[in-house]
Amino acid sequence: GAVVSQHPSWVICKSGTSVKIECRSLDFQATTMFWYRQFPKQSLMLMATSNEGSKATYEQGVEKDKFLINHASLTLSTLTVTSAHPEDSSFYICSARDSGSSYEQYFGPGTRLTVT
Amino acid sequence: DAKTTQPPSMDCAEGRAANLPCNHSTISGNEYVYWYRQIHSQGPQYIIHGLKNNETNEMASLIITEDRKSSTLILPHATLRDTAVYYCIVRYFGNEKLTFGTGTRLTIIP
Repeated sequence: GAVVSQHPSWVICKSGTSVKIECRSLDFQATTMFWYRQFPKQSLMLMATSNEGSKATYEQGVEKDKFLINHASLTLSTLTVTSAHPEDSSFYICSARDSGSSYEQYFGPGTRLTVT
Repeated sequence: DAKTTQPPSMDCAEGRAANLPCNHSTISGNEYVYWYRQIHSQGPQYIIHGLKNNETNEMASLIITEDRKSSTLILPHATLRDTAVYYCIVRYFGNEKLTFGTGTRLTIIP
């Protein structure tokens, strides 16, 4: 149980375009999901907390207009990187908190974004 | 949440026990110790967590010192698939955010 999927697993896009990444909880409901970014050889950095039915909460220094988050259902959150630039190339990872458990989070496999 | 300190890297022979230390000297009474690991190019995987008692599950054992200022994650019989970065995280129960440090890169040697 407690499986989180991400789609796509990798994506290449051109500068200036937008790309959407999906995060799904497959066998549980998640009122809260989290989005992280990880640059090569670095640790995970929390970008934002996504709450079902309400606006996401962004960490300091993360541009909310550039990284659009939508959490429209209890099993799906999306991260859209708008007007992507090469410096946005990174490994994006989501996690989902099982609404029925004690604050445990389960991580997705990650999405590798390369902006050319 | 309290900060943690971990060695940047460790090696362990395959089949032996891997003991990964973590210092969390500023931990408060209601903060839990969590361990996650991240295999290359994958999302983090939950391993174990504890408050003050030692814990064991099918993956590992967690030993927390009596003063709770440090802990050790034990992988009893390490395999090559245990090669990963291991993160020790301290957080309040109910605080949903996980703050990842730099972790320990564990390499299992054949």
